[in-house]
Amino acid sequence: KQEVTQIPAALSVPEGENLVLNCSFTDSAIYNLQWFRQDPGKGLTSLLLIQSSQREQTSGRLNASLDKSSGRSTLYIAASQPGDSATYLCAVPLNDYKLSFGAGTTVTVRA
Amino acid sequence: GAVVSQHPSRVICKSGTSVKIECRSLDFQATTMFWYRQFPKQSLMLMATSNEGSKATYEQGVEKDKFLINHASLTLSTLTVTSAHPEDSSFYICSASGGVYGTDTQYFGPGTRLTVL
Repeated sequence: KQEVTQIPAALSVPEGENLVLNCSFTDSAIYNLQWFRQDPGKGLTSLLLIQSSQREQTSGRLNASLDKSSGRSTLYIAASQPGDSATYLCAVPLNDYKLSFGAGTTVTVRA
Repeated sequence: GAVVSQHPSRVICKSGTSVKIECRSLDFQATTMFWYRQFPKQSLMLMATSNEGSKATYEQGVEKDKFLINHASLTLSTLTVTSAHPEDSSFYICSASGGVYGTDTQYFGPGTRLTVL
């Protein structure tokens, strides 16, 4: 059974600081890992999807790395802004395409 | 990109009534749709997987007679919460995959907030 853990559960930083969000998973036999953003009371927005053959994926200020052997992924957000305040979720698919989600990291960027 | 909508976005109902939530894929044919529920400050928990034209597959612990799922077309799946009770109050999110976007990625709807009084 795949278990996904995200640490820390919450993070508060001043504007401009870089953010580092961690995700770990117990079964390294994954074929991709996805990072999502969720604003309060809203659905999920996909940020980055890393295939198992990739080490990292970048989109603008976001960079996600993947280390399958150690069961870890890290999401970096450079030069944080108040608009980055949200909950960030990572998810890995199980064999039948079902997604297993972490509990998320709630980020607050203070102006 | 793929767009998934949900209706309604918010619903309040009395205990004992039934509520239907719709999930639509607007620009692609979704062969598979997933239903999740999310309690405050918790992550998404998969309730069931539905494939167009066949019965939904429910996760362990989810009552199929209480949470009726119908996936009658490639663009629409519905979740009906029957005889709703306050403990059913939650945030329900659907996702869809398939069609031109393939099966590797799920596209999520905006969610439906259900409050049972």
